[in-house]
Amino acid sequence: DVKVTQSSRYLVKRTGEKVFLECVQDMDHENMFWYRQDPGLGLRLIYFSYDVKMKEKGDIPEGYSVSREKKERFSLILESASTNQTSMYLCASRHGGDPGNTIYFGEGSWLTVV
Amino acid sequence: AQSVTQPDIHITVSEGASLELRCNYSYGATPYLFWYVQSPGQGLQLLLKYFSGDTLVQGIKGFEAEFKRSQSSFNLRKPSVHWSDAAEYFCAVGADSSASKIIFGSGTRLSIRP
Repeated sequence: DVKVTQSSRYLVKRTGEKVFLECVQDMDHENMFWYRQDPGLGLRLIYFSYDVKMKEKGDIPEGYSVSREKKERFSLILESASTNQTSMYLCASRHGGDPGNTIYFGEGSWLTVV
Repeated sequence: AQSVTQPDIHITVSEGASLELRCNYSYGATPYLFWYVQSPGQGLQLLLKYFSGDTLVQGIKGFEAEFKRSQSSFNLRKPSVHWSDAAEYFCAVGADSSASKIIFGSGTRLSIRP
């Protein structure tokens, strides 16, 4: 089974702090995603990485950056956390660039910014 | 640009009753269509997907969905729901023009009445 692991399930951070959300996948997938999930808004794409060191902005990249130094690891960085970034963050991975391939999700990271 | 609409925010059905969750999409060509399920506090799991061939697609956990091009719909069905089906369900649409562009609907929360 594909496993996408988000190391932090629940975090509470202060406004202005730098926050790192880590994600690791064990299936050698080329593509990795970071989504944000908010009630009534579904999932919104923050960043997409199609391979190591390659990234593409999604629909809501403002306030976020990403790092993909190794194929299995994709990190989401909040340079200066704000209360409007309180949300559930979902990491996902997929084999290759075919949009018909299955996307596998981690269990999510609940971030509260106070 | 593609889009997806799930018109029902919350549905309650009795255990053993049939279920239909609605999904309408907007895309010029034949899209890639997905249904995902999210149990409370968890990531998303793929139920089924469609991108060509037979318009009635079978998925896991006894779910099926039917692609109707004339109605731009991809509704999810189950003949008899179980209490364990209580979850949030997301429809998603992808386009072959962009590997990263998987658009998720806002979700339908399913509750099961004993």
